[in-house]
Amino acid sequence: GAGVSQSPRYKVAKRGQDVALRCDPISGHVSLFWYQQALGQGPEFLTYFQNEAQLDKSGLPSDRFFAERPEGSVSTLKIQRTQQEDSAVYLCASSLRQTSTDTQYFGPGTRLTVL
Amino acid sequence: KQEVTQIPAALSVPEGENLVLNCSFTDSAIYNLQWFRQDPGKGLTSLLLIQSSQREQTSGRLNASLDKSSGRSTLYIAASQPGDSATYLCAPGDYGQNFVFGPGTRLSVLP
Repeated sequence: GAGVSQSPRYKVAKRGQDVALRCDPISGHVSLFWYQQALGQGPEFLTYFQNEAQLDKSGLPSDRFFAERPEGSVSTLKIQRTQQEDSAVYLCASSLRQTSTDTQYFGPGTRLTVL
Repeated sequence: KQEVTQIPAALSVPEGENLVLNCSFTDSAIYNLQWFRQDPGKGLTSLLLIQSSQREQTSGRLNASLDKSSGRSTLYIAASQPGDSATYLCAPGDYGQNFVFGPGTRLSVLP
């Protein structure tokens, strides 16, 4: 595809609901990243995949957060029992190879609002 | 834990000025550093990627320098234009592909 796409672009959830956020990386990109961006702040790392393997999930804030990339392409970030502090923009990025020398390409993000 | 600061937090300049955005990071054991721009309501666009072995990178009117030992990077924008208005973020990356972002500098270039 032309770039990284994310869906939905906006999501409003009632506190306690489960949500699923989708990321379609650039075709052929090996690495995929999820970030959380609070209003007025820079993105914070959540988790990283190399193909289907989740190599780093140290940034996930709690066990309510779960990410998967079962076939090494599309990824889903799931948040269970959402809370107000989960309100943020969730950004997905992909890069071509598995090295740290590659540029990351970002999607437009999903803005999650938990009421 | 890597901590990143950016100065100034916000900047407003008339069109045509040259300007410098500053980024400082606490852990100098980085693999590379990226500069991004973010437009309101949109994702990030990578501007420049500097490897730890490099001192600077240039792309058009943009020049980024890196002083790894002192934990500093600067982004120089020449002849600024209204289209440059955005938030600029720096992000040092470690060997595990983990980028830590600064809070950004919000730039407004007035016509």
